[in-house]
Amino acid sequence: GAVVSQHPSRVICKSGTSVKIECRSLDFQATTMFWYRQFPKQSLMLMATSNEGSKATYEQGVEKDKFLINHASLTLSTLTVTSAHPEDSSFYICSAYDGYEQYFGPGTRLTVT
Amino acid sequence: SQQGEEDPQALSIQEGENATMNCSYKTSINNLQWYRQNSGRGLVHLILIRSNEREKHSGRLRVTLDTSKKSSSLLITASRAADTASYFCATDAGSGYSTLTFGKGTMLLVSP
Repeated sequence: GAVVSQHPSRVICKSGTSVKIECRSLDFQATTMFWYRQFPKQSLMLMATSNEGSKATYEQGVEKDKFLINHASLTLSTLTVTSAHPEDSSFYICSAYDGYEQYFGPGTRLTVT
Repeated sequence: SQQGEEDPQALSIQEGENATMNCSYKTSINNLQWYRQNSGRGLVHLILIRSNEREKHSGRLRVTLDTSKKSSSLLITASRAADTASYFCATDAGSGYSTLTFGKGTMLLVSP
């Protein structure tokens, strides 16, 4: 089956630094990738939709300058949390769409101290 | 935006019992999907039901869809301790990218 990986699985960073999270589709090409955020005991909130080679589409309320998304190839999308603050601590999940179905990555736990 | 609402928010049962979770949504959909998430982990896709389907089975899972009521239910029969997880419904409104809108989820605890 289709596999999506995320790296790193966990990251702890200091306030003010930037963190990059990678999302890769391992055995298929993803025309579109999605980034979600999940707070403890809550649901997934869609942050942005990215298509290879074009700018990401951000959901209302998501700061595009804070959450930089790059979808440089059909198998890789990155999310960079810039100037991270403790309120950015969350579980970030990506998914990759092959034209039929979304396949989810295992998530990245970000803790900002 | 979140349009799905699951109930109950939390469900605690004994092994062997059945667990039923409900999901309601607000807009027209192309399909509805159910996912499981173990604590701190990613999502596992369980089942997809299309808008023109009313019921679907997969192993111990049974999903129903009532588009007139904009609701769906997930039934897990003969539950096991390993079924302990959060369960989410997600609706696909057919935007072209299969954009999913997730419900708030039901936390299921199955005690041995």
